[in-house]
Amino acid sequence: EAQVTQNPRYLITVTGKKLTVTCSQNMNHEYMSWYRQDPGLGLRQIYYSMNVEVTDKGDVPEGYKVSRKEKRNFPLILESPSPNQTSLYFCASSLVVYSPLHFGNGTRLTVT
Amino acid sequence: GENVEQHPSTLSVQEGDSAVIKCTYSDSASNYFPWYKQELGKGPQLIIDIRSNVGEKKDQRIAVTLNKTAKHFSLHITETQPEDSAVYFCAATPQAGTALIFGKGTTLSVSS
Repeated sequence: EAQVTQNPRYLITVTGKKLTVTCSQNMNHEYMSWYRQDPGLGLRQIYYSMNVEVTDKGDVPEGYKVSRKEKRNFPLILESPSPNQTSLYFCASSLVVYSPLHFGNGTRLTVT
Repeated sequence: GENVEQHPSTLSVQEGDSAVIKCTYSDSASNYFPWYKQELGKGPQLIIDIRSNVGEKKDQRIAVTLNKTAKHFSLHITETQPEDSAVYFCAATPQAGTALIFGKGTTLSVSS
């Protein structure tokens, strides 16, 4: 089944403890992206990647890192999480930048 | 940069009625306009999209119209059903190499 898989679905952590949210797609998509969803703010892009080894900042990149070493994987790294990064995170992929985005089911992160 | 405004933020209709959600965008170079539906606990899912060389597109009960001169596009759902209840997001892609900019979402409630 074609899908975008994020793990974990739920994560509770403490301020400053490094964490990684994994994202994998099995559709051979070139384009991948991370979004955060907050009440009243909609979906805001954190980082995106046009292809392997090519990443760029979105609208809200501060406090996040990404890497794209393989086409299928696009992990999101929070080196030193803070409470304002408590949010619902979505990974998405598409064949190319102008084609339909496929979203994962989300990761709900709580930073205390 | 691109800004996408979406109205209304909430919409309640009776089953069988029509629902219309409107979005405006700021970047006249935008040329791809998708609509996503997000059900509770899931990631957004593409329901319909339109490109700038097309004025209207229809898929069964849903349709999207685009007015490039006025820089707005709308989602029309006819004969609404309770399973249409969800959050709907519009989006626009400003230019090649960048990403989708989402509206803040519309929560549609269809009561039977």
